[in-house]
Amino acid sequence: KQEVTQIPAALSVPEGENLVLNCSFTDSAIYNLQWFRQDPGKGLTSLLLIQSSQREQTSGRLNASLDKSSGRSTLYIAASQPGDSATYLCAVRDGTYKYIFGTGTRLKVLA
Amino acid sequence: GAGVSQSPSNKVTEKGKDVELRCDPISGHTALYWYRQSLGQGLEFLIYFQGNSAPDKSGLPSDRFSAERTGGSVSTLTIQRTQQEDSAVYLCASSSGTGENSPLHFGNGTRLTVT
Repeated sequence: KQEVTQIPAALSVPEGENLVLNCSFTDSAIYNLQWFRQDPGKGLTSLLLIQSSQREQTSGRLNASLDKSSGRSTLYIAASQPGDSATYLCAVRDGTYKYIFGTGTRLKVLA
Repeated sequence: GAGVSQSPSNKVTEKGKDVELRCDPISGHTALYWYRQSLGQGLEFLIYFQGNSAPDKSGLPSDRFSAERTGGSVSTLTIQRTQQEDSAVYLCASSSGTGENSPLHFGNGTRLTVT
């Protein structure tokens, strides 16, 4: 059974710092992996999707990498800003269509 | 619409009452998911619809939960005889298909409180 873990559960950094969020999964047979952010009281906003054959994806200050063999993905945020404060979740899609979610990393960027 | 729309945004109900939650996916999206997010927990898969195929109901926690999707578009999640443990945020998501490069798009959710 696929399990997704995100470490740390919470992170607080000063503005301007580069940071890395981690996501690990137990079964490497994934279809794709998606990173989301969730603001309080809101739904999830898709940030990046990495297909199983890809190693990384970039969007602006965000870069997500995928290492299927080791069951890990990282989300790198460059030059963090207070507006980046949110909960970040990763989800892996198994061989069917189900997405299995981690419990998220709650990020706070201090001004 | 521009995004996935869910209604109501908040629902407070008394234990034992039935509730209906609505999801309007992005136009043209054939795949529709319902998830439940409880406080401090990850997202829990409930049900999946793909086009006109039979839905995958394997995540529904009990027979008090049911969902339908009419005309391949709008979906309704119904919870009968609500219990306090049903209190959670119910999230709907859609995607354009089952392709590897089809991201999930979520609505803002319905926060259900059972008193």
